[in-house]
Amino acid sequence: EPEVTQTPSHQVTQMGQEVILRCVPISNHLYFYWYRQILGQKVEFLVSFYNNEISEKSEIFDDQFSVERPDGSNFTLKIRSTKLEDSAMYFCASSGAGGNIQYFGAGTRLSVL
Amino acid sequence: KQEVTQIPAALSVPEGENLVLNCSFTDSAIYNLQWFRQDPGKGLTSLLLIQSSQREQTSGRLNASLDKSSGRSTLYIAASQPGDSATYLCAVGTGNQFYFGTGTSLTVIP
Repeated sequence: EPEVTQTPSHQVTQMGQEVILRCVPISNHLYFYWYRQILGQKVEFLVSFYNNEISEKSEIFDDQFSVERPDGSNFTLKIRSTKLEDSAMYFCASSGAGGNIQYFGAGTRLSVL
Repeated sequence: KQEVTQIPAALSVPEGENLVLNCSFTDSAIYNLQWFRQDPGKGLTSLLLIQSSQREQTSGRLNASLDKSSGRSTLYIAASQPGDSATYLCAVGTGNQFYFGTGTSLTVIP
């Protein structure tokens, strides 16, 4: 069964450093999403992406965040200057159409020291 | 802003029991609602998606209902098994994003 793949599974970084989290969505999907889950808290929406542009973003998704689809298969989340409070599990998701089932990856655990 | 609440926060049942998990949301103008399962330290597995025009969806031992006007959804699990132990998340969709509840942690005791 097709699945969403995220790498790395765990990323450790120093505060102030840039990180790039990578995702390979399901191949024929057109809509891509990033969510995060701080330990013990709700899953929170960050951003949705369609047709090579952001379609919606939350208030969490400020100027330190950016997303990109650099080629036909990858979808990345860049955090420019990490803060301690960015430590969380980051989930990528994709769907065939907006409003359809979203399929989630296993997540990348980001630890900012 | 959409607020999603799940009750109870935790539930422990003996194997074989039928059970109901509850989800409520504040804004009835939703696009769809999705139930997920999350195992510790793992990603989210989609269980059922109900479109706003639907009343229920079924998959195997799972049945999800949606009452948009009252802002409620339930997930019914029949004949629970120890393998059902996980956190169950309800997420309300607005088309481009989902708002998640805090989840119900289910333990099924053999």
